[in-house]
Amino acid sequence: DIVMTQSPDSLAVSLGERATINCKSSQTLLYSSNNKNYLAWYQQKAGQPPKLLVYWASTRESGVPDRFSGSGSGTDFALTIGSLQAEDVAVYYCQQYYNTPRTFGQGTKVELK
Amino acid sequence: EVQLVESGGGLVQPGGSLRLSCAASGFTFRSYWMSWVRQAPGKGLEWVANINQDGSEKYYVDSVRGRFTISRDNAENSLSLQMNSLRAEDTAVYYCARDGLREELPVAFDMWGQGTMVTVSS
Repeated sequence: DIVMTQSPDSLAVSLGERATINCKSSQTLLYSSNNKNYLAWYQQKAGQPPKLLVYWASTRESGVPDRFSGSGSGTDFALTIGSLQAEDVAVYYCQQYYNTPRTFGQGTKVELK
Repeated sequence: EVQLVESGGGLVQPGGSLRLSCAASGFTFRSYWMSWVRQAPGKGLEWVANINQDGSEKYYVDSVRGRFTISRDNAENSLSLQMNSLRAEDTAVYYCARDGLREELPVAFDMWGQGTMVTVSS
């Protein structure tokens, strides 16, 4: 199974400041046939289901604010919130869909400082 | 409206059974892989099982293989999860999720239901 490891486990950021979450996979997520990384990022607010933010490591889902950006390739990835807003307080998960079983990182809790 | 609605959760004793259902609407259900994902109270997300478009391929996480069965009815736009021999560690919110497609390539779970709670306790 591919192990997904996020860092940090929690993050306190001031309004308007940048937040960066890292995600490392135990094997490559880069599909050589199409040069796409099968890595997604989700946001989960309290009491709600997860919401897809980014897929293919860096493609924002429709309707997601452009302050959210994904980067990385192979085994190392990051989600950056460019200017934190109050509504961004949530737990963020990375997930690989390169193979089965689909696996998630343990989650990173983003709070306001 | 495009949505997934789960039902069937509840309280069950260890060793018991429960069947979850997910009603899909607003999209061409038969065109997508579908998954179940669970979340134990206060914990992270765990993928449980998925099924391909015509139901001929099914995959499970090791911890539920042999106890859970995923199925679908494309005529009824519904997904199911039959859970047998339930254990305390199966206690979780169970989400139905769509394996999305963009440009005919997979993009992970782009639609989620609100979830249904399963509690396994005596």
